[in-house]
Amino acid sequence: EVQLVESGGGLVKPGGSLRLSCAASGFTFSDAWMTWVRQAPGKGLEWVGRIKRKTDGGTIDYAAPVKGRFTISRDDSENTLFLQMNSLKTEDTAVYYCTASLGYWGQGTPVTVSS
Amino acid sequence: EIVLTQSPGTLSLSPGERATLSCRASQTVSSSYLAWYQQKPGQAPRLLIYGASTRATGIPDRFSGSGSATDFTLTISRLEPEDFAVYYCQQYGSSPWTFGQGTKVEIK
Repeated sequence: EVQLVESGGGLVKPGGSLRLSCAASGFTFSDAWMTWVRQAPGKGLEWVGRIKRKTDGGTIDYAAPVKGRFTISRDDSENTLFLQMNSLKTEDTAVYYCTASLGYWGQGTPVTVSS
Repeated sequence: EIVLTQSPGTLSLSPGERATLSCRASQTVSSSYLAWYQQKPGQAPRLLIYGASTRATGIPDRFSGSGSATDFTLTISRLEPEDFAVYYCQQYGSSPWTFGQGTKVEIK
């Protein structure tokens, strides 16, 4: 059974940092393109960024609102995806989901940026 | 960046009726890399359709996707009670990947 379990969310002040993790199991993690998607309270889905598998170059792309502040990485030996979030803003408040190959989603971890 | 515009914003229908949801792209979606998701309150989205018209594993055949280039459609042939939800389209053909703003299908 495929499982994606996010962790690391919480309350942080504006300007602060947070690191999210996504532990994957039930599929070959190293073969998957992994993405982060977020959803602000009462709003729609917003793509955050994607990291390709290493055999496809491991390319990383980001959405404009997070470029330069967020960093996506992966540890294929630990089947884990990361999202390092720096210089957080109130508008980054959302549930953050990790996804694999479009079809697999975690349950999300909430991030609240507030003073 | 490809902007996806979904219409209508809300669709009010009765169980058993047919639902037609539209997703229009501001530029051609490469290789029809267009997906549809269903999301219910408090749940993660569920993949319904990828490649514009291929149903994901386990998705009932009352869900179908069609279209190409800039115009895509999700059709639910006969609405079941569990189909009332919010639906999103997403293009994954060019970076940045983008989502539409969603269509809510509600019970009339």
